[in-house]
Formats: sequence, structure tokens, C-alpha cells
Amino acid sequence: QSALTQPASVSGSPGQSITISCTGTSRDVGDYDYVSWYQQRPGKAPKLIIYEVSNRPSGVSDRFSGSKFGNTASLTISGLQTEDEADYYCSSYTDIRTRLFGGGTKLTVL
Amino acid sequence: QVQLQESGPGHVKPSQTLSLTCTVSGDSMTSDSYYWTWIRQPVGKGLEWIGRIDTSGGDTSYNPSLKSRVTMSVDPSKNQFSLNMNSVTATDTAVYYCARDGRAFDYWGQGTLVTVSS
Repeated sequence: QSALTQPASVSGSPGQSITISCTGTSRDVGDYDYVSWYQQRPGKAPKLIIYEVSNRPSGVSDRFSGSKFGNTASLTISGLQTEDEADYYCSSYTDIRTRLFGGGTKLTVL
Repeated sequence: QVQLQESGPGHVKPSQTLSLTCTVSGDSMTSDSYYWTWIRQPVGKGLEWIGRIDTSGGDTSYNPSLKSRVTMSVDPSKNQFSLNMNSVTATDTAVYYCARDGRAFDYWGQGTLVTVSS
């Protein structure tokens, strides 16, 4: 059971949009809509920002959006703000009733 | 507001058993159908799902890479669930989080650092 694949880092300028990909297989991302995304700031617990591919919990900015095509899910952050600088992780349910995480992506806002 | 809080020893010796408890407050664990989950993160590294247990304790699922060493239990009367991991080594040194798993991991504890060393 390998981790989902995310880019190690992405960067963008304030106001721009960035997209973080999360690639799995037909045994996880491709077969289930239980893909979620988490934001983690240094020294803090992760925070849920997207669940079930594209749903935002109450209180999460609509600048965050999620999508999925085939075995790859994506998180898009529009109108980048300095406060968005953090690590981002994807997670998926799998066909053996477990959960997988991606390796994490460090977002730098230049 | 649901809150989770991990507790347990911050230091464990190699080959011994790591034991942690997560206390849930702000809602009863039995109020709805959730799984209760343990996740860990070695310092400076990514998240690793350890496993989950339902409120009845009858449905568990573990990370295949850890399954032989991990046991989870739940005590709904105390609003607590627990993690036991035996035969620990230095590679088990990490921040351990407990979390509620409904549609996703929507509530997390603050995490507790467990160091494995002699």
C-alpha cells in the first residue's frame, strides 16, 4: 500500500491560483469519492479543508476547491494569500477499508 | 464543539509497548456513526494512517504495515479510545494524533510526541 503521490512543493504569488495534484490508483482515488484535503501549519494539527472530493466544511474559505479525474484528485487555491502558506495533504479511502495519505506538498507564497 | 485530547507517556523504550488514550469531549462518541482514528507524523515528515475503530469496538481496520503490532480499543462510557503498539523501535518516534473519521478526519487532537529511545 503506497502513499498517494503529491508534488513536494509548489509556489505562487499573492492573488494567483495554484493547483496541487494527488495521484493514486484504481484501488483508492480512482474508485472512491472519499478524497479529502488537509492544511497543516507548523506545529499544528492538520485541518480539514475539503472532503468527499469537492465539499468544503463550514468556515473554510471558498478560495479552496477540489476536483477529481480518474486516479488523480486536485486541490486548487485561488486568490493566494500569505496565510495559505502551509503543508497540504490529500487522503483517500481504499479498497481494503483503510485510509492513505499523500506525501504532502509545501506551499510557498512568494 | 468536539474536542479530542491525546494522553500517554512521551517516552518509550525500544521493544516495549506504546500506549496512548484519546479523550473525546463536547459530544458523545455514540451520538452518530463515526470511526475513531490514530494517525502519526514523524518530525519533519508526512502523515501516516495507523488505523481506526468504530464506537462499538467491533469494527477495526489497521494499516497493513503496522497491523501485526497494533491494537485499538474503545470505551464509550468514558468517551475514550486507545492505541497500543508493541515492539516499538526508534522508527516509531513521531507525533501521534487522534481524530474523528466521519466523511473525513474532521476533528483532530493537538498531537502528542512519543520518543522511542533507550
